[in-house]
Amino acid sequence: DGGITQSPKYLFRKEGQNVTLSCEQNLNHDAMYWYRQDPGQGLRLIYYSQIVNDFQKGDIAEGYSVSREKKESFPLTVTSAQKNPTAFYLCASRIAPTGTEAFFGQGTRLTVV
Amino acid sequence: AQKVTQAQTEISVVEKEDVTLDCVYETRDTTYYLFWYKQPPSGELVFLIRRNSFDEQNEISGRYSWNFQKSTSSFNFTITASQVVDSAVYFCALSGTQNSNSGYALNFGKGTSLLVTP
Repeated sequence: DGGITQSPKYLFRKEGQNVTLSCEQNLNHDAMYWYRQDPGQGLRLIYYSQIVNDFQKGDIAEGYSVSREKKESFPLTVTSAQKNPTAFYLCASRIAPTGTEAFFGQGTRLTVV
Repeated sequence: AQKVTQAQTEISVVEKEDVTLDCVYETRDTTYYLFWYKQPPSGELVFLIRRNSFDEQNEISGRYSWNFQKSTSSFNFTITASQVVDSAVYFCALSGTQNSNSGYALNFGKGTSLLVTP
């Protein structure tokens, strides 16, 4: 089945540690996105990539980093510089950068302990 | 800049009632796309509908219907005869065609939490 897979579903991190969230898609989509969701805040864009080997900062990129070495993969690293990393993280992809709907993974809930 | 406003934070209805979720948007693009997504308790966003700015026809899909009005920059979503399974958070989103600080990414409203009780 085609889709977007995020792993792990739940992640716990100690303060000061970096952690990487995985996002893989087998839909052959060019564009991929990372969003952060906090209660009552909706979805806020962290990073996006419209093509392999290229990515751009979104609205809240500070404390995060990404890579796009393969079309199907767009991992997100939450660094120790992110002041408030506890949140629900959603990865999405689209067949083209504009005009089409985005498909979402099941999300990763990150908790800093 | 693009902006999506969902003024209703939470709505509670009794099963079989009709309910309308409001969405108002702002954009300078002449061509843009509007979306509705459903987020059940499991967390994954489920795509419901896409509408481009040149198509103002209302759409009906089963118990769901959408009313797009460019004159008021609104894209409202109505659920007829609501059911308990409709309980979820619903998001309205906007995507433009002019490259901006966010590329062409979907810009989301803050969502409306709908609770349907038996």
